[in-house]
Amino acid sequence: QVQLQQWGAGLLKPSETLSLTCAVYGGSFSGYYWTWIRQPPGKGLEWIGEVTHSGNTNYNPSLKSRVTISVDTSKNQFSLKLSSATAADTAVYYCARDAYWGQGTLVTVSS
Amino acid sequence: DVVMTQSPLSLPVTLGQPASISCRSSQSLVYSDGDTYLNWFQQRPGQSPRRLIYKVSNRDSGVPDRFSGSGSGTDFTLKISRVEAEDVGVYYCMQGTHWPRSFGQGTKLEIK
Repeated sequence: QVQLQQWGAGLLKPSETLSLTCAVYGGSFSGYYWTWIRQPPGKGLEWIGEVTHSGNTNYNPSLKSRVTISVDTSKNQFSLKLSSATAADTAVYYCARDAYWGQGTLVTVSS
Repeated sequence: DVVMTQSPLSLPVTLGQPASISCRSSQSLVYSDGDTYLNWFQQRPGQSPRRLIYKVSNRDSGVPDRFSGSGSGTDFTLKISRVEAEDVGVYYCMQGTHWPRSFGQGTKLEIK
């Protein structure tokens, strides 16, 4: 059974870099798109981007200039970095692969 | 970008009655391999989203058979044959054919 477990800082100041990591347990790490999605409080889901096991990425153009998604195949982990954070980036961030989702991490950006 | 439009946005349903959610895309979701990458997710209050349906009509493991998906091209539907109390939550369609991937606005199902 595939499980995704994510972690990272939950409180940032404006202009800081958001950093989250997602570890994958069970199943193969190769052959899939590993995805980050976010959900502002009380709002809908927004696709941030994805990475393959070989490091190929696709990003949402609305965030592309600030987003980096990377992969560490030796640890079966993938990571999200979002630079120059503002209050608009406050959201629950999820890592996901198809039907499998992490537990979500609430990230709050506030001075 | 592909815009996904769901209706209705609010869906009050009596227990045991059927429910239906529509999802329309601004472009065809048929991929070059012939498959249509349209998924449905359920998000119960306070939980991570759960995928119910993939590639239009395929139920994920453990999903009750009262959930069904249909459609083609740009027009898709999620149906619940008989709503149960545990079905309360927000339902999202999501397209996985084009980049960037995109979600519908969500449909909030509540018990009348």
